[in-house]
Amino acid sequence: EPEVTQTPSHQVTQMGQEVILRCVPISNHLYFYWYRQILGQKVEFLVSFYNNEISEKSEIFDDQFSVERPDGSNFTLKIRSTKLEDSAMYFCASRGTTVQYFGAGTRLSVL
Amino acid sequence: QKEVEQDPGPLSVPEGAIVSLNCTYSNSAFQYFMWYRQYSRKGPELLMYTYSSGNKEDGRFTAQVDKSSKYISLFIRDSQPSDSATYLCAFSKTQGGSEKLVFGKGTKLTVNP
Repeated sequence: EPEVTQTPSHQVTQMGQEVILRCVPISNHLYFYWYRQILGQKVEFLVSFYNNEISEKSEIFDDQFSVERPDGSNFTLKIRSTKLEDSAMYFCASRGTTVQYFGAGTRLSVL
Repeated sequence: QKEVEQDPGPLSVPEGAIVSLNCTYSNSAFQYFMWYRQYSRKGPELLMYTYSSGNKEDGRFTAQVDKSSKYISLFIRDSQPSDSATYLCAFSKTQGGSEKLVFGKGTKLTVNP
C-alpha cells in the first residue's frame, strides 16, 4: 500500500541552526502539506503546496519556514534558525482527490 | 466558540465494549468529516471519512455525522486492546481553492484485556 515517507524520524539540533525535514509523498498525489504537533497538543496546519507553490500558510509559518519540491518525488520543510519552541512532531501529508494521508512524522528536538 | 471541540478523555473500557467518541464543530463550511487514529509518537492514520449526514460503516467502526447539530461520532464495536490509541476528529476546510484539515485535540482510548 502506498505511503508517505518521512526522514529522519528524529532530528536533534541546536537553537539557531537550520534543519531540513524531508518527505516523499504518495507518488500520484498532487497536494502536499506540513502539519506540526507540539507534545500534548493538537495537530496544527502549517502550509499547503500545489503546482510548485504555496496555496495557504498559517500564522505559524513565518519567514523562518520554507517549503520546496526540489524534484519529482521529495517535499521538504526548512526551518532557517530553529527556536526552542519549534520542538514538535512534524507531519507531512499528501492528497490525491479527497483525503490526506500522513507520514509517521519527524520528531524535532531543539536544544 | 472553538471551531472544533473534542473531549480529550482519557477513556478506559474493557475489551468487547462499545466505544463512542464525539466531536462538535461550529463551522458550517466544513466539507469532509474524518476520523484518524494516532498511536503514541506516530502519524495520524485515516480510519474513516464521509461528507454527508448519516452513518457509514466499515467493519467494527461506524462514523456518524449530524450536520444540523454539527456533531460527529465514531463508534467502535467489540473493542480490542489493539484499538488503544488516540482518536482524532478532523474536518476539511476549503478557502480560496486551498484545503486544510482542522483537528480536534484527540481522545485517548485504552481498551483493557
